[in-house]
Amino acid sequence: QVHLVQSGSELKKPGASVKVSCKASGYTFTTYAMNWARQAPGQGLEWMGWINTNTGNPTYAQGFTGRFVFSLDTSVSTAYLQINSLKAEDTAVYYCAREANSGYDQYYFDYWGQGTLVTVSS
Amino acid sequence: SSELTQDPAVSVALGQTVRITCQGDSLRSYYASWYQQRPGQAPVLVISGKNNRPSGIPDRFSGSRSGNTASLTITGAQAEDEADYYCNSRDSSVNHWVFGGGTKLTVL
Repeated sequence: QVHLVQSGSELKKPGASVKVSCKASGYTFTTYAMNWARQAPGQGLEWMGWINTNTGNPTYAQGFTGRFVFSLDTSVSTAYLQINSLKAEDTAVYYCAREANSGYDQYYFDYWGQGTLVTVSS
Repeated sequence: SSELTQDPAVSVALGQTVRITCQGDSLRSYYASWYQQRPGQAPVLVISGKNNRPSGIPDRFSGSRSGNTASLTITGAQAEDEADYYCNSRDSSVNHWVFGGGTKLTVL
């Protein structure tokens, strides 16, 4: 069965960096794109971008360029989200989600990681 | 980029039917998918594509689309359906995605 397991909660100071991992199992990692989403406390889901797990090419949503970096290690079926120069407003739960499709117009996120809470505080 | 609009909150009496809607231009090109999120938990896919339910999702959940509006219908709402519901779809103009703002469902 498919599982996406994310790394544990992080407490960081402003200006530091954090790297969140998302380890996939139960399927061929390079067959499905991986997306990232953010959920600030008490807020809705916000799409951050995705990474092509076959080519490693990332695509970032508006507002997530510059400090946010998606990467892969296909040898261990793991996707990473690194956030640099952390700010207090980066405090949120970050999710990875596998992207699937069942037709040219039917796309969806069928499996999600459990989420990683990143807290930025001095 | 596109936007998806959802009502912030909806309520339904136990056992009754409720429809949660999601409106946006991208829905003319792509079907919405729907996610249930209970407090403190990760989102769970409940409806994808034309009207597909993943294994384990009760058949009281169904989806539909008309023009630029997608709907999630819960027929015979149960107490455990109380949660936040999000729609999303691919953006019709670029290779991006967009989420709706979410609907908080209260089962009375």
